[in-house]
Amino acid sequence: RKEVEQDPGPFNVPEGATVAFNCTYSNSASQSFFWYRQDCRKEPKLLMSVYSSGNEDGRFTAQLNRASQYISLLIRDSKLSDSATYLCVVGQGYKYIFGTGTRLKVLA
Amino acid sequence: DADVTQTPRNRITKTGKRIMLECSQTKGHDRMYWYRQDPGLGLRLIYYSFDVKDINKGEISDGYSVSRQAQAKFSLSLESAIPNQTALYFCATSDGLLGNEQFFGPGTRLTVL
Repeated sequence: RKEVEQDPGPFNVPEGATVAFNCTYSNSASQSFFWYRQDCRKEPKLLMSVYSSGNEDGRFTAQLNRASQYISLLIRDSKLSDSATYLCVVGQGYKYIFGTGTRLKVLA
Repeated sequence: DADVTQTPRNRITKTGKRIMLECSQTKGHDRMYWYRQDPGLGLRLIYYSFDVKDINKGEISDGYSVSRQAQAKFSLSLESAIPNQTALYFCATSDGLLGNEQFFGPGTRLTVL
């Protein structure tokens, strides 16, 4: 079983749609949680950190459920520019464990 | 200017050649990492370093070596490249504080023929 699992997608959604991604992690001792965005052949860039209380940044909302060991990302009012791969990342001390990513395509 | 830079950005080489990938950062971070990314496998940790005198193997260190020449510089070497080392290589840094993220360089696309 992978330490961090994501549905690879692709999720094809129309502009303006709301889309949600989930990610599960296996190590209950994980301490920090992130969503990164990666455009094709480019470096991952932090989208947002994820906190137990949930957090929102504009159209993006992230939530953490420690009891069930999953993290979610909700994107509202999708834009064409949101098309990318979204990586779930879990921090365990010095280590950062990466999911394989979920591909999103927003269609005009 | 980018905070984390990598050279070269692209490299094509032949089996058996020695290759060095370089990473520099201006973020002042102590921790530096080398990852490779393959389709469908996500990023996998090759080596990491907490400071100049501290080098550690990651999950896939075989066939690779590293050098931390200074706080700002961390190089990855392939002593004798083989085709299955064809991948996208990323350098990353972090400040080591709990909950803080990593920052990535732009990547090096390496092809071994």
